[in-house]
Amino acid sequence: EAGVAQSPRYKIIEKRQSVAFWCNPISGHATLYWYQQILGQGPKLLIQFQNNGVVDDSQLPKDRFSAERLKGVDSTLKIQPAKLEDSAVYLCASSPPGPYTDTQYFGPGTRLTVL
Amino acid sequence: DQQVKQNSPSLSVQEGRISILNCDYTNSMFDYFLWYKKYPAEGPTFLISISSIKDKNEDGRFTVFLNKSAKHLSLHIVPSQPGDSAVYFCAARNTGTASKLTFGTGTRLQVTL
Repeated sequence: EAGVAQSPRYKIIEKRQSVAFWCNPISGHATLYWYQQILGQGPKLLIQFQNNGVVDDSQLPKDRFSAERLKGVDSTLKIQPAKLEDSAVYLCASSPPGPYTDTQYFGPGTRLTVL
Repeated sequence: DQQVKQNSPSLSVQEGRISILNCDYTNSMFDYFLWYKKYPAEGPTFLISISSIKDKNEDGRFTVFLNKSAKHLSLHIVPSQPGDSAVYFCAARNTGTASKLTFGTGTRLQVTL
């Protein structure tokens, strides 16, 4: 079974530039998550999708971050414009159908450096 | 507000000995707890979990203990192996918020020869 795919793996941009990350979840997984992990901290949930609908985006900085999951499969997370404090690893995870699923499967992450 | 805390940023253990990683939480609405393991340049991988209705769950070398009254859980690895060297994250799920997880800051475990 293929895992969660993310691209790019690394990205370096200057502040005020835009950047987009892509995630392809495990086939059949209805729920998709985007996390931000700042160095020295645990992953923090940015947004959760159930199929193509948003379940939770309470911690997404909506003035600069946006995410979409068209057709309920893959997803993109965009930052526009980027700030220095956005430097982090952005993790995508997915979980299979059903409520209260216990396990989330993570991709390798995209390491973003904002200069 | 750090609802899940891992107060030890690092831990070093000799191969063959027991590793004990600790996690404390403040939110009494958490009903399910998980441990994830993370190697460099990889995403976290699920290791073991425990429901709040239990106080122990065991899977091979890994055992998780939950003390609800103290709002404390621990992960025991026995015997520790060099391949266990990684960062371990404790995570908790809040009752009624579907599958949203709150993570701790992680503990880096190094198993030495």
